[in-house]
Amino acid sequence: DIVMTQFPNSLAVSLGERATINCKSSRSVLYNSNNKNYLAWYQQKPGQPPKLLISWASTRESGVPDRFSGSGSGTDFTLTISSLQAEDVAVYYCQQYYSTPRTFGQGTKLEIK
Amino acid sequence: EVELVESGGGLVQPGGSLRLSCAASGFTFSDHYMDWVRQAPGKGLEWVGRMTNKDDSYSTEYAASVRGRFTISRDDSKNSLYLQMNSLKTEDTAVYYCVRADYYGSGNYLPDAFHIWGQGTMVTVSS
Repeated sequence: DIVMTQFPNSLAVSLGERATINCKSSRSVLYNSNNKNYLAWYQQKPGQPPKLLISWASTRESGVPDRFSGSGSGTDFTLTISSLQAEDVAVYYCQQYYSTPRTFGQGTKLEIK
Repeated sequence: EVELVESGGGLVQPGGSLRLSCAASGFTFSDHYMDWVRQAPGKGLEWVGRMTNKDDSYSTEYAASVRGRFTISRDDSKNSLYLQMNSLKTEDTAVYYCVRADYYGSGNYLPDAFHIWGQGTMVTVSS
């Protein structure tokens, strides 16, 4: 199984400041034949199901604000929120869909400082 | 509108059984693999298992934690996915989400992130 590890576990950032969440996979999730990273980022707010923000490591979903961006390749990935807004308070998860079992990171709780 | 709606959750005693259902609409259900993901109270996301579609012989895969106790099935004529849970344990207490997964249609396979999630149904295993 591919183990996904996120850091930090929690993060407090001031409004308008940058937030950075890291995710590391125990094996590469880069598929060499198409040069795609099978890595997604989700946002979950209390009482709601997770919402897909980014797929293929860096492709933002329709309707997701452009302050959210994803980067990285192979085993190391980053989710960046360029200017934190109050509505971004949530738990963020990375997930690999390179192989089954599909595995998630443990989550990063993002709060306002 | 693309939608997944779970039902069937509730309170069950340890050792008991429960069957969850997921009704899909707004997309071609038969073209997609379908997965279940769960979330224990205050905890993270755990993939439970999946059923592929007809193009991939309706095969199933399960997380080690539920293998041999849970069974996933689907009825493409009803656009529905099911999760039969037997020999339930207290650690199975969670919100269970139905999710749309990989695409496999017209001979083309596309692995996919979980774009579509249901609202979830709560399963509580307690005496």
